[in-house]
Amino acid sequence: DGGITQSPKYLFRKEGQNVTLSCEQNLNHDAMYWYRQDPGQGLRLIYYSQIVNDFQKGDIAEGYSVSREKKESFPLTVTSAQKNPTAFYLCASSLQTGITYEQYFGPGTRLTVT
Amino acid sequence: EDKVVQSPLSLVVHEGDTVTLNCSYEVTNFRSLLWYKQEKKAPTFLFMLTSSGIEKKSGRLSSILDKKELFSILNITATQTGDSAVYLCAQKKDNNAGNMLTFGGGTRLMVKP
Repeated sequence: DGGITQSPKYLFRKEGQNVTLSCEQNLNHDAMYWYRQDPGQGLRLIYYSQIVNDFQKGDIAEGYSVSREKKESFPLTVTSAQKNPTAFYLCASSLQTGITYEQYFGPGTRLTVT
Repeated sequence: EDKVVQSPLSLVVHEGDTVTLNCSYEVTNFRSLLWYKQEKKAPTFLFMLTSSGIEKKSGRLSSILDKKELFSILNITATQTGDSAVYLCAQKKDNNAGNMLTFGGGTRLMVKP
C-alpha cells in the first residue's frame, strides 16, 4: 500500500539527548515536510524539502535538523538545543509539480522529553 | 507575516445539527485554501479551494471561499458523532518556496449523541 510511515509512534527521551524521528514515503512524492503540533494548536512548519539533497527552514527550525539523502526518506533530528521538544510531530509529502497541492500526512510521532 | 485564524476554537453540538466553521486568512500571493479533518493523528484532506464563490461538496460537508473578504467556511449538515474531530484550514502561497502550507489553530468539534 502507498503511504507515509512514521516511527516510532511514541518516543520518550531524557533532556539533553538528541533524538531522530523517521519518515518514509512510497508515494514517489518530491516534496516532504515536518510539522510540529502542540496541544490545542494547529501545525507549525519545521523544515521542508523540495528535492533530494535540498531542504529549507520553516517557521520554527531552531533546535531541529533534517537530511534528505533519498527521495523516500526525510528524518528529523530533535537536538538538545530545542527548548520545548515535547510535542506531536507530523511528516507530510506532496507532489511538487502539477496542480495537486494537498499534502498527505503520516500517523505522527508523539515525543515526550523529561 | 501570513496568518490563518479559525473560529470558533471549539464547538459542541448534538447529532443532526448543522455547523459552520470559519477560516480567515491574511496572506500575500494567495493560491489556495485547504481544509483537513484531524481525528486522532494524521490530518486527512477534505477540500482544496482556489476560486471564489464555487462550492465544493462531499456528502454532508461543503466549503466555499471568498477571496474578496479573505475567508472560507466549512459546513457540515446533519452532523454525526463520527464528525467529531479537529478541523484545520491551511493556505497555500504561490511562490517558489515549494508547496508550503500555513495552518490555522483548528476548530475542535464535538458531536454528542
